[in-house]
Amino acid sequence: GDSVTQMEGPVTLSEEAFLTINCTYTATGYPSLFWYVQYPGEGLQLLLKATKADDKGSNKGFEATYRKETTSFHLEKGSVQVSDSAVYFCALSAPGQAGTALIFGKGTTLSVSS
Amino acid sequence: GAGVSQTPSNKVTEKGKYVELRCDPISGHTALYWYRQSLGQGPEFLIYFQGTGAADDSGLPNDRFFAVRPEGSVSTLKIQRTERGDSAVYLCASSPLAALGSEQYFGPGTRLTVT
Repeated sequence: GDSVTQMEGPVTLSEEAFLTINCTYTATGYPSLFWYVQYPGEGLQLLLKATKADDKGSNKGFEATYRKETTSFHLEKGSVQVSDSAVYFCALSAPGQAGTALIFGKGTTLSVSS
Repeated sequence: GAGVSQTPSNKVTEKGKYVELRCDPISGHTALYWYRQSLGQGPEFLIYFQGTGAADDSGLPNDRFFAVRPEGSVSTLKIQRTERGDSAVYLCASSPLAALGSEQYFGPGTRLTVT
């Protein structure tokens, strides 16, 4: 079945470091891909998305490109801040999936220190 | 505007008891989803509503779990004869429509602890 695999954390970085969180997926058809973020004490919120191959989603300095040839959607940011400390979830929704319900990876905890 | 709200925020119950978890979606959102998130895991799909009907309940783990959305707005997830393995955070999300690529808006969750 459809699935998402993302790199295990925790990822610990210093402020202004470069961030990559790897995400690969398995899906039939052409899924939409998402990154959701969960800040401490808050609910899940959409960070960015891409709905077709070669699309780049971006928000708050984060970027991810939908790569169909490598079935990947890696999250990147050029210079992280302490306020980026959170848990990041890669997710997909696929044609035929229940009402386009989301399938999530296990999450990657990012901790940024000053 | 108001986001998705869930009540209670925390629920502690004894093994074997019955619990109800409530979700108030964003007004006008026709699609509503329930997910369950265990510690250290991503959310897992339980059930999806389009309007009042449960369009897909394939994620419900067994027949102790049931959910309703009688008027197409508020939804209640019901768990009978709770077990310790049911302990998790239960998340509700809503979306304006159930289309590929549509954003889902999540509530803060209900943390259920079965003792």
